[in-house]
Formats: sequence, C-alpha cells, structure tokens
Amino acid sequence: DAGVIQSPRHEVTEMGQEVTLRCKPISGHDYLFWYRQTMMRGLELLIYFNNNVPIDDSGMPEDRFSAKMPNASFSTLKIQPSEPRDSAVYFCASSLLAYGGRGVHTEAFFGQGTRLTVV
Amino acid sequence: GQNIDQPTEMTATEGAIVQINCTYQTSGFNGLFWYQQHAGEAPTFLSYNVLDGLEEKGRFSSFLSRSKGYSYLLLKELQMKDSASYLCAVRGGSYIPTFGRGTSLIVHP
Repeated sequence: DAGVIQSPRHEVTEMGQEVTLRCKPISGHDYLFWYRQTMMRGLELLIYFNNNVPIDDSGMPEDRFSAKMPNASFSTLKIQPSEPRDSAVYFCASSLLAYGGRGVHTEAFFGQGTRLTVV
Repeated sequence: GQNIDQPTEMTATEGAIVQINCTYQTSGFNGLFWYQQHAGEAPTFLSYNVLDGLEEKGRFSSFLSRSKGYSYLLLKELQMKDSASYLCAVRGGSYIPTFGRGTSLIVHP
C-alpha cells in the first residue's frame, strides 16, 4: 500500500478563499483522523471518522471548518472562508481496529501533510 | 480530558544516550505511543506501551509506568539523523490518541 496520501502538499491562498484538503487513507483502515499542527499548539485533533461516519468533531475550531468522508477511500477537510490564523500543516492519518482478543487499535499512520498558508 | 507534558527541547552528543520523558494525566488509558517527526515530514511510529515495563527495539527503548503516569523514550548510540521532534501520544478511554507538543532533539557532533 502507498500509505496515506494527501493533496495538495502545499497550498497558498488569499484570505476569504475556500480551501479543500484531500486525503486517501490506507486501504482497509476504518478510522480516519484530521490533525492540525502549529508551533504554538502542537498536533491537535480536529475530527475523526469511524467507518466513514464522523464520531467527534469537537476539535474543529469553528463553523468555517467542515469535513466529509463520502466513502472508505476518500475524505476532505474544507475551510470556508479561510483566514491567516488557519495557516498550519494539516495531517490526515488512518488506523485499523483489529478484532482479536479484546480488540486492539493499530497505531495511526500519517500522510505527508498539507502546508497551508493563508495570506 | 488529557494532559501530556514533555520537555520542549533537548541536546545531546553523537554516540551518547538520551532519555526523553513524558508525563500524562488521562481519563482511561489504552496505551502510549512514541512518534518521530523530522522537520517538514510526517510523524512516524516508533513504539507502543500498554503494560508497565520496558519495550526495546534496536537503539530505541520505551518505558511505561501507568501508576505514575510516566513514560520515557531512550535513544542509544545517538546518530546525527536522530535529530528530530519526538512526540508522546496517549490513547485514552475513547481509543483516540492525543499528542503532546513534542520534544525537539538536537544531536551535535
């Protein structure tokens, strides 16, 4: 498997514009996470999905952020309208809940991230 | 909620041993992870502890004490390429990992 694939790798946009980040998780993984990383706040969980269903979006900063997972192989994170304070690296990660004994979650595998700059 | 603390930055000499500590407070516990992240790259998995004790994997070892809410990552025979950020992540009752802010390790000759 090629791993978690994110696009674009870099995005520069003007304040007020809509930004869409894309993610393809590892095939067969049933959990998908969106994280945001900044120097000030580190790696923050924004939202996660289980079997394509959003489970917890309490980390989404505000209504300008939305995420979807229309199928098991694709997810998007959208910011509309974007603001300079949204500038960060956005990571997508996926993992698998493996049933065996008590059921064990594998570690999260990260994509290469999208570096977003809003000017 | 969860609270994870680790030092912001550490420096060490090539060939030496360094220990990076992580303390945590969590409601429910289902394991602790260490990740390595080189500048401009994605975090990559290093180790996982769910029971007390030491897990060894080559030059890297990770220790966990659940009663103390404490873990450390031990790096032996340091190499220049080990210069990176090391992230401690705790999986709580929800099985979802929460990350600390990371420790930036600088290895110098």
